[in-house]
Amino acid sequence: NAGVTQTPKFQVLKTGQSMTLQCAQDMNHNSMYWYRQDPGMGLRLIYYSASEGTTDKGEVPNGYNVSRLNKREFSLRLESAAPSQTSVYFCATTTGANEKLFFGSGTQLSVL
Amino acid sequence: AQSVTQLGSHVSVSEGALVLLRCNYSSSVPPYLFWYVQYPNQGLQLLLKYTSAATLVKGINGFEAEFKKSETSFHLTKPSAHMSDAAEYFCAVTPRTYKYIFGTGTRLKVLA
Repeated sequence: NAGVTQTPKFQVLKTGQSMTLQCAQDMNHNSMYWYRQDPGMGLRLIYYSASEGTTDKGEVPNGYNVSRLNKREFSLRLESAAPSQTSVYFCATTTGANEKLFFGSGTQLSVL
Repeated sequence: AQSVTQLGSHVSVSEGALVLLRCNYSSSVPPYLFWYVQYPNQGLQLLLKYTSAATLVKGINGFEAEFKKSETSFHLTKPSAHMSDAAEYFCAVTPRTYKYIFGTGTRLKVLA
């Protein structure tokens, strides 16, 4: 079992480029999340999907879109990358509300 | 709105000394509270979780936390620090919904 798999692990973009971060889980979890981690700011919730077919905004959704492709996959898209989106992105999953989160190993994104 | 405040972005302790990492929360409903640990270049792992069953919660690696409603606190402690405890620690709250809000983190340094 791989758990929560994020691809790619590293990415460098130029301002204005687009890209999609992929997250897949083999834990049969219902809920999936995207967080960004910045120094001194902790983890901030971008979007989440409580269950297949639903998505909701978190604290910092501007500049991002998400797709819950199926129960296993939850992707995060940057349509026009900006330097302010330089960050480490984490995908997380859980069985349901109030349960512990399982995290992927992260994607380090630099936007020049 | 729910929030988490972690006092002290950096804490240093000597090996064998008490570890105390502070977390205060704000929640309009009885919360679920979590402590996570992050080792370098990894995702977050659950240390312990408060669910209202008991105010003193024991977690992995000898850590424990006490829920104090009157002080809106959920501080993390360990009687004797080990070198392997050096990491970043995050407190998180969920107000019994699918949203998990994280604090800004405390980086623990253990001195030999």
